[in-house]
Amino acid sequence: SQELEQSPQSLIVQEGKNLTINCTSSKTLYGLYWYKQKYGEGLIFLMMLQKGGEEKSHEKITAKLDEKKQQSSLHITASQPSHAGIYLCGAMGKGGYQKVTFGTGTKLQVIP
Amino acid sequence: DSGVTQTPKHLITATGQRVTLRCSPRSGDLSVYWYQQSLDQGLQFLIQYYNGEERAKGNILERFSAQQFPDLHSELNLSSLELGDSALYFCASSVEHSTDTQYFGPGTRLTVL
Repeated sequence: SQELEQSPQSLIVQEGKNLTINCTSSKTLYGLYWYKQKYGEGLIFLMMLQKGGEEKSHEKITAKLDEKKQQSSLHITASQPSHAGIYLCGAMGKGGYQKVTFGTGTKLQVIP
Repeated sequence: DSGVTQTPKHLITATGQRVTLRCSPRSGDLSVYWYQQSLDQGLQFLIQYYNGEERAKGNILERFSAQQFPDLHSELNLSSLELGDSALYFCASSVEHSTDTQYFGPGTRLTVL
């Protein structure tokens, strides 16, 4: 089965700083999802990347897919307390959405 | 507010019992997805329905079943419950495809005692 590793597992940054979260797959990526979850709440779909080299932005959050490295990175520019939460990546496998797997999450704290 | 509603918010039951979780998708969305999130196994995709038909089947146990009704609401039935079934169950909806933006409900927290 496809395994996803997220790094770092947790991150504490000062408000205004930039940060990057990585999601690395053990197998070929056929689609990569990014989500945000506030503690104990539902998930928020951020974006989905399908093609190698594809880059998408959602407000101050940018994600890029590196097909060759089987990796996606999520970059937050000028972090704000509202960015705090858990960021999860999900990867679609060769068999389609029924094979989707999720990372264990990166916990982000932003200190004002 | 995502527009996706789930009931109940909390459910406490005993091992061996059966429960039904309900989800109403956003207006206009034809696809409904069910997920399980637990401390042990993280987030797992269970099943997707599109316009009443099963479209994708993930890690759903045989003790679990789901359906989507003509009004597009969906129900997830969990039977012969075990302690390990305790988790947060999320429903999400999208217009059609799994590549479309998915909108998640607030979840149902199931505790099996």
